[in-house]
Amino acid sequence: AQTVTQSQPEMSVQEAETVTLSCTYDTSESDYYLFWYKQPPSRQMILVIRQEAYKQQNATENRFSVNFQKAAKSFSLKISDSQLGDAAMYFCAYRIPFGNEKLTFGTGTRLTIIP
Amino acid sequence: DAGVIQSPRHEVTEMGQEVTLRCKPISGHDYLFWYRQTMMRGLELLIYFNNNVPIDDSGMPEDRFSAKMPNASFSTLKIQPSEPRDSAVYFCASSRQGIDYGYTFGSGTRLTVV
Repeated sequence: AQTVTQSQPEMSVQEAETVTLSCTYDTSESDYYLFWYKQPPSRQMILVIRQEAYKQQNATENRFSVNFQKAAKSFSLKISDSQLGDAAMYFCAYRIPFGNEKLTFGTGTRLTIIP
Repeated sequence: DAGVIQSPRHEVTEMGQEVTLRCKPISGHDYLFWYRQTMMRGLELLIYFNNNVPIDDSGMPEDRFSAKMPNASFSTLKIQPSEPRDSAVYFCASSRQGIDYGYTFGSGTRLTVV
């Protein structure tokens, strides 16, 4: 069974600084997708960034980027120039592309932005 | 597109009562998922549908929980009878097969059973 592990329950960062959130996963599949979701206090789950396992290039979305290490089964999220609006729970998630569409989530990391 | 619509946003009920949560997925999405979020257990998949057919309900806690999807634009999650341990946020999400955008989530229903 696939598992997703987020070992940092809480993180904090000074506004305008950079922070990296960690995620590891366990799978026997060779093709899959990885995601980071943000859940602010409003509790809405918002897709931040996604990565296809067959692509070696790390995904980037504005201030958000990932460091995808397939051999190590690691998928970290880097937030640059942190803003107060980035304060939220961040969830790492995994999904295989076909046949079974369900997402497996990690336990989340609560990110605090210090003004 | 209005996104995934869930109702109600909040629900407070007494133990033993029936509770029905509702979800309208995004038009054209052929997968629909029900998740439950608690502090203790995080995000748990309860059940998901493909083209209105339940595919995997192994996450449904017990017989008190049931879910239906009578058509492509509507799904319900029912708890009967409700218990205090059912208190959680229940999310509905939808996606399209073969599209790797992840899910689109609804805003969730916070259920409190007293």
